[in-house]
Amino acid sequence: GAGVSQSPSNKVTEKGKDVELRCDPISGHTALYWYRQSLGQGLEFLIYFQGNSAPDKSGLPSDRFSAERTGGSVSTLTIQRTQQEDSAVYLCASSNRDRGREQYFGPGTRLTVT
Amino acid sequence: AQSVTQLGSHVSVSEGALVLLRCNYSSSVPPYLFWYVQYPNQGLQLLLKYTSAATLVKGINGFEAEFKKSETSFHLTKPSAHMSDAAEYFCAVRVNSGGGADGLTFGKGTHLIIQP
Repeated sequence: GAGVSQSPSNKVTEKGKDVELRCDPISGHTALYWYRQSLGQGLEFLIYFQGNSAPDKSGLPSDRFSAERTGGSVSTLTIQRTQQEDSAVYLCASSNRDRGREQYFGPGTRLTVT
Repeated sequence: AQSVTQLGSHVSVSEGALVLLRCNYSSSVPPYLFWYVQYPNQGLQLLLKYTSAATLVKGINGFEAEFKKSETSFHLTKPSAHMSDAAEYFCAVRVNSGGGADGLTFGKGTHLIIQP
């Protein structure tokens, strides 16, 4: 079946603008994760959704970052008033309630803030 | 809280030689451990995972890893390197909380270089 998809693949924005990044998880996967990959920080966990439960936002770096998941499927990560340090690759992953909860990753969105 | 340390940001081996990528973890409860590979401009692909069953885990592309609780290690090996193995490798840990699935904690990554 189809894997995790993300859009756009690349996004260039000006400092101070808002951006929205989209993730389509694997059909039937109940869990969805957002990660950020940057040169200085490596791979960082941002936020996690599981079914209809309240999301785990413990990894969000500031209140400029937010995410929602509509209908338990598609998710949107929003970054408000972007800063240059937000430049990174944003990865989405999804998993199911199986042993180990193996996470399947999308190709990522490369965000560049100028 | 859990953490992962990957020794060596870059590892270079000759084609046909043994590949050994080191990973040590820190966790107060039994962990789930993973190795992912990332090719240029692509997402992460799961190589293998340890989920408290067999301590020697075999994955895709001829890779395997051994969980050693006494050493808190989960090193990745492959007997004979191939040029196509050149990529970035990430070790990750997730705590087996038994309840919700927490996000993965990743190591900094090891860039594997294969010399012809």
